[in-house]
Amino acid sequence: KAGVTQTPRYLIKTRGQQVTLSCSPISGHRSVSWYQQTPGQGLQFLFEYFSETQRNKGNFPGRFSGRQFSNSRSEMNVSTLELGDSALYLCASSLQRGAPYEQYFGPGTRLTVT
Amino acid sequence: DQQVKQNSPSLSVQEGRISILNCDYTNSMFDYFLWYKKYPAEGPTFLISISSIKDKNEDGRFTVFLNKSAKHLSLHIVPSQPGDSAVYFCAASTNTGNQFYFGTGTSLTVIP
Repeated sequence: KAGVTQTPRYLIKTRGQQVTLSCSPISGHRSVSWYQQTPGQGLQFLFEYFSETQRNKGNFPGRFSGRQFSNSRSEMNVSTLELGDSALYLCASSLQRGAPYEQYFGPGTRLTVT
Repeated sequence: DQQVKQNSPSLSVQEGRISILNCDYTNSMFDYFLWYKKYPAEGPTFLISISSIKDKNEDGRFTVFLNKSAKHLSLHIVPSQPGDSAVYFCAASTNTGNQFYFGTGTSLTVIP
């Protein structure tokens, strides 16, 4: 079974631009979560989608948004990019929501904002 | 506020010895805990989990210990191997919750 895929793997954007990242979960997985990883901050939870609905949202500004499609694929969008948005963005899928269903992570998208 | 903390950013261990990675949490409602391992340029991969009804869970060379009264869990790797060199994240959730809270990670280096 194919793992979680994320595209693109690397991205360089300029401050003020917007960006869209894509995530394809493992087949059959219905929950998709997004995380931001920065040095010293670990994985910070952005949001979780299940059945095309956002179910949980972390403490991030409204510039960060996402959606999930009927095939469970998900996208996240960051508008008006800031230098501090430079990070590794990880997508994770799981069969169902929450414990005890572990999350399976994609390789991430490395976003650099200049 | 960081609800899951890994206070050691890095750890070096000789090959064959025991590696002990520690994790503390503040939310007493957490009752499900996981450890993930992350290599550079890859996403985290699930390693081992433990429910609060247990105080120990073992899987091969990996054992996780949970001390609920101290709100502390640890991952023991015995014996450590160079391939274990990676960043290890602990994560916690409630059994009814749908969000995992991650620590900041500990970078383990196993020296041959």
